[in-house]
Amino acid sequence: SQQGEEDPQALSIQEGENATMNCSYKTSINNLQWYRQNSGRGLVHLILIRSNEREKHSGRLRVTLDTSKKSSSLLITASRAADTASYFCAVMDSSYKLIFGSGTRLLVRP
Amino acid sequence: GAVVSQHPSRVICKSGTSVKIECRSLDFQATTMFWYRQFPKKSLMLMATSNEGSKATYEQGVEKDKFLINHASLTLSTLTVTSAHPEDSSFYICSATQGLPNGELFFGEGSRLTVL
Repeated sequence: SQQGEEDPQALSIQEGENATMNCSYKTSINNLQWYRQNSGRGLVHLILIRSNEREKHSGRLRVTLDTSKKSSSLLITASRAADTASYFCAVMDSSYKLIFGSGTRLLVRP
Repeated sequence: GAVVSQHPSRVICKSGTSVKIECRSLDFQATTMFWYRQFPKKSLMLMATSNEGSKATYEQGVEKDKFLINHASLTLSTLTVTSAHPEDSSFYICSATQGLPNGELFFGEGSRLTVL
């Protein structure tokens, strides 16, 4: 069964704006990962944050993790039309399975 | 970065036939591979975890006799959909890692199965 729920399910923003996606999960985790998927394609790994980390940056991406609230957020700053895709969080649970959230479909309008 | 190759990328078959999908790690040894199924505009559902040299561990609700998984080497895992039916039509994606829990997972490009 899916582990996480993502919010919002869909997000439409103007190029240059920031996009924030949230992810909640239910069990204890080893790490939490964010992935991007273009329509009909495979997944691209964006960033991994370990359970003992609270924030991580990679280029225009910023990920936070709050294990007390069992939630994470992905912030994409200065969005571009090429950022249009589906974004998934995934948690690596204690049995080392990677379980995906429901995903957020991001549309960045030029 | 590491590459995971899936083959075929698209396959159309008749109902009742079996289809094999291959997942290969091209430049690293994958101790663990995961198989996922994705319905249109939906998330990835974990089907099974495959460790080299041992039997796959299937998720609840996944029929192991329907979806045969073999991880015979450190670079190859196969998923065989046996006696396929139209409801098996889906996008199947594999991922591979050198080590858990913090090893990066690399995903294949997926295989779209259509059963007529």
